Amino acid sequence: DTAVSQTPKYLVTQMGNDKSIKCEQNLGHDTMYWYKQDSKKFLKIMFSYNNKELIINETVPNRFSPKSPDKAHLNLHINSLELGDSAVYFCASSLYQGPEAEAFFGQGTRLTVV
Amino acid sequence: AQSVTQLDSQVPVFEEAPVELRCNYSSSVSVYLFWYVQYPNQGLQLLLKYLSGSTLVESINGFEAEFNKSQTSFHLRKPSVHISDTAEYFCAVSGSGGYQKVTFGTGTKLQVIP
Repeated sequence: DTAVSQTPKYLVTQMGNDKSIKCEQNLGHDTMYWYKQDSKKFLKIMFSYNNKELIINETVPNRFSPKSPDKAHLNLHINSLELGDSAVYFCASSLYQGPEAEAFFGQGTRLTVV
Repeated sequence: AQSVTQLDSQVPVFEEAPVELRCNYSSSVSVYLFWYVQYPNQGLQLLLKYLSGSTLVESINGFEAEFNKSQTSFHLRKPSVHISDTAEYFCAVSGSGGYQKVTFGTGTKLQVIP
């Protein structure tokens, strides 16, 4: 009964491939996020959705496309993977949109592009 | 725009000793402040947060942080650490009011030595 679950946990793939990471939350939250954590542990928001609507879209290459089929799911599809995409990607959710809302994080997906 | 600085990337401390993890922020607006903890192979979890009111906030496991507006700091302290406190600690800041994104620091790894 994991609150925020993302799959896969590890992903190793070659440059140029297309891959997806799935995220689901069973907390009944309205808002979901994707964060990228680089090799220096810097954690940066990529996208935020509220009730399936895109709220935040940071300066992310358009090779990254989030999709939210319902408010419990926020998947991340990445086209034409590059070496620089290697990172840990975290999905998170919060009860509502708002900076004071506590974010609940998944365990992360470690993506390695070779 | 806002930013967070965690000057110490690693802090080793002996068990039962006190610890302080430093966090400084910059922001042109009023802020909310957070400390998140990441245990090995897990996602981030909220440890404590400052939204308003008392400048001293506490967590359920003995950590506390004090918001100091004049020094733009939100240092995390614990008077006596346990082995189980070994983890990565992230300070974060967001602007208050409306919807604003949360900006994370680069983290401080607390290593508790038996």
